[in-house]
Amino acid sequence: QKEVEQNSGPLSVPEGAIASLNCTYSDRGSQSFFWYRQYSGKSPELIMFIYSNGDKEDGRFTAQLNKASQYVSLLIRDSQPSDSATYLCAVNFRYNAGNMLTFGGGTRLMVKP
Amino acid sequence: DTEVTQTPKHLVMGMTNKKSLKCEQHMGHRAMYWYKQKAKKPPELMFVYSYEKLSINESVPSRFSPECPNSSLLNLHLHALQPEDSALYLCASSQEAPPITDTQYFGPGTRLTVL
Repeated sequence: QKEVEQNSGPLSVPEGAIASLNCTYSDRGSQSFFWYRQYSGKSPELIMFIYSNGDKEDGRFTAQLNKASQYVSLLIRDSQPSDSATYLCAVNFRYNAGNMLTFGGGTRLMVKP
Repeated sequence: DTEVTQTPKHLVMGMTNKKSLKCEQHMGHRAMYWYKQKAKKPPELMFVYSYEKLSINESVPSRFSPECPNSSLLNLHLHALQPEDSALYLCASSQEAPPITDTQYFGPGTRLTVL
């Protein structure tokens, strides 16, 4: 059973602060890792993906991967009220038949002005 | 362009109705997916098509019937649904031709209500 765990939150941070979102996964064979943002009533929107251990930065977002600890995180710098959403961690395992993306339960982020 | 489109945006149907959800992408992706998402829950995978062939069926009840007419289109045929099937139905696609990436792009979803 492949599991992806996230703290459901809500995580509340003041505007301008750094928001830190964490995710752990159970399957050591997992190969790629994604962060999606989902606003209420909307579909998931890709924020970042990461394949290799270490940090990957894209604008205000930094994804961190530690495969030995089976841990993925997302840092959001200079948080804005528009960042308030649910953040879904997703872990992919590639079979011969195709990709299997398993989602965590999501962390609800609230950025207060 | 990373656009996946879905129609209709909203659908209300009775338990005896037959309806279809449609999904389209023009990114040249050869893998397409159907997910179901209930309120305050993550998306759950239903079906995976790879090169127009059904490759993964996550033990979905037969009242949901997927179809992939060509590499750009994905349908989900609905028949004799139950009220508990009410949810947001999401379509996604990903590239399968080299360079292979696993990134899935989601459509806006169809909000389904079964009365």
